[in-house]
Amino acid sequence: DAMVIQNPRYQVTQFGKPVTLSCSQTLNHNVMYWYQQKSSQAPKLLFHYYDKDFNNEADTPDNFQSRRPNTSFCFLDIRSPGLGDAAMYLCATSGINTVYGYTFGSGTRLTVV
Amino acid sequence: AQSVTQLDSHVSVSEGTPVLLRCNYSSSYSPSLFWYVQHPNKGLQLLLKYTSAATLVKGINGFEAEFKKSETSFHLTKPSAHMSDAAEYFCVVSYTGTASKLTFGTGTRLQVTL
Repeated sequence: DAMVIQNPRYQVTQFGKPVTLSCSQTLNHNVMYWYQQKSSQAPKLLFHYYDKDFNNEADTPDNFQSRRPNTSFCFLDIRSPGLGDAAMYLCATSGINTVYGYTFGSGTRLTVV
Repeated sequence: AQSVTQLDSHVSVSEGTPVLLRCNYSSSYSPSLFWYVQHPNKGLQLLLKYTSAATLVKGINGFEAEFKKSETSFHLTKPSAHMSDAAEYFCVVSYTGTASKLTFGTGTRLQVTL
C-alpha cells in the first residue's frame, strides 16, 4: 500500500545532542510537510518542501532544519534539542493540489532527557 | 484568511448513542474541509473531506459531515458511537488551490463510555 512511513516511532535524545527524524513516502507526492504536535494541541506546521523548494514558517526556530534529498525522503534535523522540543513530529505529503488533503505518517514521539 | 473553530474541546457520549462534533470555518475562498481522527500516539487519519461536490459527505467508520455554507459549518456526526471511536478529532480547512497549507482546529476529544 502507498503510504508515509516515519522512523523511528519513538526517539529519546539527550539535551543538546543533535537528532534526525526520517520520513519516506511511496505516493510520489510533490509536497512534504513537517508538523510539531505538543500534548493536547493541534499540529503546528514547521516547514514544507514543494519538490526541492524549501518553505520555512516564519516562527519556526532556527534549531529546526530539514533536508529532502529526493522525492521519497525528507528529514527533520534538530540541532540542539531542548526540553521544550519534546513532542510528536508528524510528516505529511500531498499532491500539487491539496484539495484531497494530506496523508500523514504515524509520527515520531521525541523525548528529550 | 482562513480559520476553523471547533466549538467543543471535549465531548462525552455513551456507547450506542449519536455523536456530534461541531466545526465552524471562515474562508475567503471556496474551502476544502476535512475531518481527521487521531488515536493516542498515532498519526492523523483522514475520516472524510468536502471538496465542493455533494454537501453531505460520507466517510469511513460510519461518520458523515454536512457542509452548510449559510451557517459556515461542517459538523461531524455518527448515528451510534463505538468504544473504538474514542480519539481526538480535528476539523481542518484549506483553500482549493495549489500546495496550500491546512489550517487545523484545536481538536475535540471524544470520550465513549459504557
